[in-house]
Amino acid sequence: DSGVTQTPKHLITATGQRVTLRCSPRSGDLSVYWYQQSLDQGLQFLIQYYNGEERAKGNILERFSAQQFPDLHSELNLSSLELGDSALYFCASSVGGLGPYEQYFGPGTRLTVT
Amino acid sequence: AQKITQTQPGMFVQEKEAVTLDCTYDTSDPSYGLFWYKQPSSGEMIFLIYQGSYDQQNATEGRYSLNFQKARKSANLVISASQLGDSAMYFCAMRGRGSRGSIQGAQKLVFGQGTRLTINP
Repeated sequence: DSGVTQTPKHLITATGQRVTLRCSPRSGDLSVYWYQQSLDQGLQFLIQYYNGEERAKGNILERFSAQQFPDLHSELNLSSLELGDSALYFCASSVGGLGPYEQYFGPGTRLTVT
Repeated sequence: AQKITQTQPGMFVQEKEAVTLDCTYDTSDPSYGLFWYKQPSSGEMIFLIYQGSYDQQNATEGRYSLNFQKARKSANLVISASQLGDSAMYFCAMRGRGSRGSIQGAQKLVFGQGTRLTINP
């Protein structure tokens, strides 16, 4: 158990819908990262938040947005869902920013868009 | 831009043998970090080992060691005395900078495509 929690574990929804994925980092971790894992794209970095502020952005679609709240939990919002958004979405957390800080991953949310 | 290459899509090894999973990387950053993660069939990503680019010694964590050859830009994972429970996908990753460059706290992991390791009894 990494200490990172993600809910829900599984999500099945229809195209065009909007969903929210939730992540709680390990106690004491200030950085939260979101990754998408799909068969064709592999593991892709989406976005990072550090202590409530966006710090780094990857290939995140405009239909996707995220935020980190004062209690440091984070939410990833996916809207106008398409079949290709079906993937495993991971949240990870680390102590801080630059440095040898390993990222600890949550169990993931498996999103299926039908 | 950072890039990680794992050239072995799959590997089959007998139990108790040592196994080396290959990873090469490309980066223009003078300072970087290299990670290995394990992903069992259950799906979670488990951190295994970390190597910093300025570390003088190769990293070791129990049965895992990282064969870091900076000049060759390789960071191979060595698992000694493999066990059935080692069967999983293994990902090599590099800590790179996010789109905002060197802003304090900005970093991301760039992953390779992974190697599926199967340990045979």
